[in-house]
Amino acid sequence: QQQVKQSPQSLIVQKGGIPIINCAYENTAFDYFPWYQQFPGKGPALLIAIRPDVSEKKEGRFTISFNKSAKQFSLHIMDSQPGDSATYFCAASGADSWGKLQFGAGTQVVVTP
Amino acid sequence: NAGVTQTPKFQVLKTGQSMTLQCAQDMNHEYMSWYRQDPGMGLRLIHYSVGAGITDQGEVPNGYNVSRSTTEDFPLRLLSAAPSQTSVYFCASSPRLSTEAFFGQGTRLTVV
Repeated sequence: QQQVKQSPQSLIVQKGGIPIINCAYENTAFDYFPWYQQFPGKGPALLIAIRPDVSEKKEGRFTISFNKSAKQFSLHIMDSQPGDSATYFCAASGADSWGKLQFGAGTQVVVTP
Repeated sequence: NAGVTQTPKFQVLKTGQSMTLQCAQDMNHEYMSWYRQDPGMGLRLIHYSVGAGITDQGEVPNGYNVSRSTTEDFPLRLLSAAPSQTSVYFCASSPRLSTEAFFGQGTRLTVV
């Protein structure tokens, strides 16, 4: 049973649009929520991460929103570009689980020109 | 700067064969882990190591063995390959007391 549920499975947006990917978790011991970006034939790479003590974090065009009470977090890609086309994974880990991540199923994002 | 290096990149095995997937990191990271990636299931943790000589099972350890004799290397052994082990395998490493995982390029394994 997946501990982190991710939706949607795929997403197509036009250039400049804002794809939004949602994740939900059950384990309240999770205290670190990263997002990974993966291009075809490559390994996942850390994009941005958040801890439960903040509700939002921005890095460039990528924003994480975090709702601790609902146990949900989401990734927004502002002003999306064709180069953002990739698979995005949310993940979570606990305080004593250094480097051990529970991943969502992934969302394939396609940004059309 | 090599980071996490996995070999081979592609492999085809027959059912019942054994093989070892290699993983090496040059960042002096203490933590290393193996994941498998299957469509619609994300990445699932197979085995994990917090240092040389110390390993632990992850979510899907059956059919796989690991050992860690050095900080740099963390090989994954398939004892008797099964079609259900067809997957893309990723090795990752993390610095001590860090939450960021650095992934290799992956090994695509097909068991026929």
